[in-house]
Amino acid sequence: GAVVSQHPSWVICKSGTSVKIECRSLDFQATTMFWYRQFPKQSLMLMATSNEGSKATYEQGVEKDKFLINHASLTLSTLTVTSAHPEDSSFYICSAARDSNTDTQYFGPGTRLTVL
Amino acid sequence: RKEVEQDPGPFNVPEGATVAFNCTYSNSASQSFFWYRQDCRKEPKLLMSVYSSGNEDGRFTAQLNRASQYISLLIRDSKLSDSATYLCVVNRGTGGFKTIFGAGTRLFVKA
Repeated sequence: GAVVSQHPSWVICKSGTSVKIECRSLDFQATTMFWYRQFPKQSLMLMATSNEGSKATYEQGVEKDKFLINHASLTLSTLTVTSAHPEDSSFYICSAARDSNTDTQYFGPGTRLTVL
Repeated sequence: RKEVEQDPGPFNVPEGATVAFNCTYSNSASQSFFWYRQDCRKEPKLLMSVYSSGNEDGRFTAQLNRASQYISLLIRDSKLSDSATYLCVVNRGTGGFKTIFGAGTRLFVKA
């Protein structure tokens, strides 16, 4: 159990376009989902925390108008990178937790975004 | 200073060797601790949780020293398949935790 999927697994897009990444918990309900970004040879950096039915909480330095997060159901959160630029190219990983008090999180397989 | 710091690596060891990774964390409010393994271009996978009493899972042993704010991972009898990046991970907070990842230590096990 506790499987998290992400779609797409990779995407290549032109600069200026928007890209939506989906994160789904397949066999459990996830009250809380997290979005991370990982640049080459660096660690995962938390971008934002989203709770179902409420606005996401963004980490310092992450533009909420650029990285739109929607957590409309207990099994789905989406991250939309708006007007993507080459510097947004990265590995985006989501994780899901059953609730905000349970500190076990399950990671999705990640989405590799390349912006040309 | 980073909140979670790890040995920079890379560690290059022969098969069968014992290797130890160290990690320190700076926030004394940290509550739970983990080691994750990440293969190239893949998501992190939980290796084991870390407790003050120490815990062992096969060839892997993890230890936490809260007083020193230090976490360790010991791998015995290294296998080629152990080659990966090992991430020290710390959770802090109540009523909504925050996860802090270390930068990772790269391990290469060679035949």
